[in-house]
Amino acid sequence: GQQLNQSPQSMFIQEGEDVSMNCTSSSIFNTWLWYKQDPGEGPVLLIALYKAGELTSNGRLTAQFGITRKDSFLNISASIPSDVGIYFCAGQETSGSRLTFGEGTQLTVNP
Amino acid sequence: DTGVSQDPRHKITKRGQNVTFRCDPISEHNRLYWYRQTLGQGPEFLTYFQNEAQLEKSRLLSDRFSAERPKGSFSTLEIQRTEQGDSAMYLCASSLGAGGTYNEQFFGPGTRLTVL
Repeated sequence: GQQLNQSPQSMFIQEGEDVSMNCTSSSIFNTWLWYKQDPGEGPVLLIALYKAGELTSNGRLTAQFGITRKDSFLNISASIPSDVGIYFCAGQETSGSRLTFGEGTQLTVNP
Repeated sequence: DTGVSQDPRHKITKRGQNVTFRCDPISEHNRLYWYRQTLGQGPEFLTYFQNEAQLEKSRLLSDRFSAERPKGSFSTLEIQRTEQGDSAMYLCASSLGAGGTYNEQFFGPGTRLTVL
């Protein structure tokens, strides 16, 4: 079946530092999505990517859809304490269908 | 603007009991998805609907699980004869449909199930 490898599993950074995380897949995806999840809550959509090579920003967040369609990365610039949480990548093979999620990156930001 | 809502937020049950969860999607979203998430893992797909039609079911959805969306609005997920391995967060998501931004799935807060 499909596998999404997300790395790193966890990151411990100082406030103000930039962060980068990525996902690679064994399959081609037509859509990549990035979510953030706080404890006990559902994932919140951060960024959606629809075209290979696409680079999209949302405030301090920037994500890219890899040109091979098998990878994506997320950057967070100038991290702040409220960035703490688990970040998930998710890929979608067919428009409107299921999402396949990575295992998550746990981000800790020290003030 | 109302997001996806799920009820209950928490459910504790004894092994062998039946449980039912409800999901109300964002208004006018015609696709509704169910996922299951265990501790330390990403959500795993269970099933999804377009309006009232169930379009896909994961092999994770054993015979003890059934989902419905009778009028194309809210959905229910029932687990019969619960087992301890069913303990997880059950997440519901909705989207406008397919194509471009219509693909974007928005999640509810989840229902945390604990089977004793």
